[in-house]
Amino acid sequence: DADVTQTPRNRITKTGKRIMLECSQTKGHDRMYWYRQDPGLGLRLIYYSFDVKDINKGEISDGYSVSRQAQAKFSLSLESAIPNQTALYFCATAPRSLSSNEQFFGPGTRLTVL
Amino acid sequence: QKEVEQDPGPLSVPEGAIVSLNCTYSNSAFQYFMWYRQYSRKGPELLMYTYSSGNKEDGRFTAQVDKSSKYISLFIRDSQPSDSATYLCAPRAGGSYIPTFGRGTSLIVHP
Repeated sequence: DADVTQTPRNRITKTGKRIMLECSQTKGHDRMYWYRQDPGLGLRLIYYSFDVKDINKGEISDGYSVSRQAQAKFSLSLESAIPNQTALYFCATAPRSLSSNEQFFGPGTRLTVL
Repeated sequence: QKEVEQDPGPLSVPEGAIVSLNCTYSNSAFQYFMWYRQYSRKGPELLMYTYSSGNKEDGRFTAQVDKSSKYISLFIRDSQPSDSATYLCAPRAGGSYIPTFGRGTSLIVHP
C-alpha cells in the first residue's frame, strides 16, 4: 500500500465550483505540504502544516484553504475554482526532525477547471 | 529572478552518455541541496542530497555543490533509458523546513 495517498487522482470541474483534494499518510510524519506543479513553473508551495494545530501559507495560497483534520490527513480546498487553478497537485510529508531532508510525495491529483 | 534557476530542457542524450544537470541559486543561506527525480505521472522522489559544498557519489550519480559560485550539479554516468525523467534541484536553508524547488530539467535517454 502507498504511504501517501491522494484522492481523487483526476478531477474535472467547472468554474465557480468548490472542490476538495484529500491527502492521507501512513508514515506517521508530522509535516505535511501541498504543492502545485505547472509546466515550466516547477513545484510551488501552497500551504504547509507541522502539526494538527499549525497551518502556514506558502508561496501561492490565494484562492486555496486547507484543513489538517488529523496527523495523517491534510485537505486542500478550492472554494471557487477558476481555470488558472488547472494544474497537477501534490501532497508531501516529512518527519519532524530538521535533519531530515526528504519529502515523500503522493501520486498527485490532476485537476482541470473548465 | 527566481531563487533557484534550472533549465527545463528537454535534454536528449544517447544511452551511455554522461549527463550534467545544473541549477543556480541566489540565496546564500542554502545549506542542504537535494535532487529529486520525477517520472512521468508520478510524484517526485528524493535521489540524493549534499550538505554545504563538495561532492557526493551514489552509484552512477554524483551531486556537486559550489557555494562560492552558487552552482549545483548532478552528473549521471553511463546513462540508461530508465533515467529518462524530470530532475528537480531543491536547496534549503539550514534553519528552514521548506526547500525551494527548481523548475526541473526533463532528461530523455534514447537507446
